[in-house]
Amino acid sequence: QKEVEQNSGPLSVPEGAIASLNCTYSDRGSQSFFWYRQYSGKSPELIMFIYSNGDKEDGRFTAQLNKASQYVSLLIRDSQPSDSATYLCAVNRAGRRALTFGSGTRLQVQP
Amino acid sequence: DAGVIQSPRHEVTEMGQEVTLRCKPISGHNSLFWYRQTMMRGLELLIYFNNNVPIDDSGMPEDRFSAKMPNASFSTLKIQPSEPRDSAVYFCASGLQATQETQYFGPGTRLLVL
Repeated sequence: QKEVEQNSGPLSVPEGAIASLNCTYSDRGSQSFFWYRQYSGKSPELIMFIYSNGDKEDGRFTAQLNKASQYVSLLIRDSQPSDSATYLCAVNRAGRRALTFGSGTRLQVQP
Repeated sequence: DAGVIQSPRHEVTEMGQEVTLRCKPISGHNSLFWYRQTMMRGLELLIYFNNNVPIDDSGMPEDRFSAKMPNASFSTLKIQPSEPRDSAVYFCASGLQATQETQYFGPGTRLLVL
């Protein structure tokens, strides 16, 4: 079992729709959870982080964390073609300061 | 703020040659990370420094890889000798320990070993 799992996609949504990206993790002691966006040929860019169970909203983005079920999700409302990218889920495992990344989900927003 | 700076941005070398990648973290950050990204293995941690001290080097593939951080504003990752399987994008990231490791990535170095 991978430490951080994501569906590789591509996830295709029409412009204006809600895109839902999911991530599961294996280490129950994980404490911090991050979503990065990576455009092709570019470096990962931090979108959001979440530490506590529940929802955290930032503009069009909402991160959701459920520690009991060991999953994290990212919702993108009013999706735009410019949101087309690979979204990486990252987890800060207990006792290890560096991040463990999932393989990413490729999102395509169709105009 | 200039962000994390990496050099070179692209490197093409022949198998057996020494390669040195360089990183300047964001001023004031006390954590520095080296990652490698490939299609097959995704983004994986190589080594992590905190206050210039290597903390976790469990991801360093083998003795051919070494990393140093002589001061708070500079780090190097060296591969000697390089092999074709080392071809990847190498990212440096920095962060503030106090902020639970929110990390900011540099633009990366694309390495091709022929």
